[in-house]
Amino acid sequence: GENVEQHPSTLSVQEGDSAVIKCTYSDSASNYFPWYKQELGKGPQLIIDIRSNVGEKKDQRIAVTLNKTAKHFSLHITETQPEDSAVYFCAASINTGGFKTIFGAGTRLFVKA
Amino acid sequence: NAGVTQTPKFRVLKTGQSMTLLCAQDMNHEYMYWYRQDPGMGLRLIHYSVGEGTTAKGEVPDGYNVSRLKKQNFLLGLESAAPSQTSVYFCASSYSSSPEQYFGPGTRLTVT
Repeated sequence: GENVEQHPSTLSVQEGDSAVIKCTYSDSASNYFPWYKQELGKGPQLIIDIRSNVGEKKDQRIAVTLNKTAKHFSLHITETQPEDSAVYFCAASINTGGFKTIFGAGTRLFVKA
Repeated sequence: NAGVTQTPKFRVLKTGQSMTLLCAQDMNHEYMYWYRQDPGMGLRLIHYSVGEGTTAKGEVPDGYNVSRLKKQNFLLGLESAAPSQTSVYFCASSYSSSPEQYFGPGTRLTVT
């Protein structure tokens, strides 16, 4: 079945540095790739997404890239701030009459002030 | 709008007990989902619904049942709780035209 691998599981950066999280997926039919941020005690919240017909998307300090040939996509956070500290999840989704979404295991990001 | 709400926030059950988790959304979404989140495993889909009166199995449906009697509500039932069902449960919803899911705050369930 579909599998999404996410690396690293933990990432610690200094405030102001960049953070990169990488994911790979197995089902070539996946066509939607969201990234979620989960703060302690809360539900995941969508921060950016990319669809299979786009290679890169940027929203202020965050950007996502997608390489469909290699089946991998990445999240880039620039100028990190302490409030970026959270768990980030990548996911791959396919519409099968209901959107089947497979999540990565998550990356815990620490931004040190 | 309240978005997606979940009841209760916390619950402790003894093995063999039953309970129902309630999810409600006020965004008029057609699709609703139940996930469980375990350490190091991300979120895994339990069951989902593409409309009132319809449900379908996800990745890990065993030991759970669901019902969608009203468009705005999606119930997750545990008939006979087991320690392996100790987890944080998240409900989500989306429009049928978009894969973007909106998540509730979660229910932390412990089965002893």
